[in-house]
Amino acid sequence: SAVISQKPSRDICQRGTSLTIQCQVDSQVTMMFWYRQQPGQSLTLIATANQGSEATYESGFVIDKFPISRPNLTFSTLTVSNMSPEDSSIYLCSVEKSQGNTDTQYFGPGTRLTVL
Amino acid sequence: GEDVEQSLFLSVREGDSSVINCTYTDSSSTYLYWYKQEPGAGLQLLTYIFSNMDMKQDQRLTVLLNKKDKHLSLRIADTQTGDSAIYFCAEKVGGSYIPTFGRGTSLIVHP
Repeated sequence: SAVISQKPSRDICQRGTSLTIQCQVDSQVTMMFWYRQQPGQSLTLIATANQGSEATYESGFVIDKFPISRPNLTFSTLTVSNMSPEDSSIYLCSVEKSQGNTDTQYFGPGTRLTVL
Repeated sequence: GEDVEQSLFLSVREGDSSVINCTYTDSSSTYLYWYKQEPGAGLQLLTYIFSNMDMKQDQRLTVLLNKKDKHLSLRIADTQTGDSAIYFCAEKVGGSYIPTFGRGTSLIVHP
């Protein structure tokens, strides 16, 4: 398994500002993922972050709005830029590790963001 | 429609069994997962089943897979108040490393 921590755990931000969320894993992993979870909705993948290359963004998400860093194999950041109330959500960091005979995703505790 | 569907709410009495259902559409699913999310927390992997299995048991948890009907269920025996949480079903399709999640079923356990 993997132990994942995120900072901050929650924040309330003003419209137009930016927030950087940090994700730390207790072991080296190749792939890290950033998800958004809106109330009553499923998890939506924002992007996949590999160390040493640019993040790969899913449809509907762009680098200017959600820049991602992946400086090493245990750490990543997601920035939510120029925030609006529509960005209010839980942001989850995830990693993929082997569990038995499958690769499984493990999740951090999430960052609860409220934009006023 | 959504690729993975779950009912949104389930209410059970403490001590009873809970059955959370999930349907999926992709017949090439390789692995199916159940995650639990407690209030204010991230998703915790509960169990998973390979698509060539039809049942997996782990203590109070029983996973049943009907591949013909593309139906997955999670049974929790002797449900406790600590089992109150949102349960997410997810499928992983061969060739993809990203699972597809359902919207989650909110399980409410009352005395």
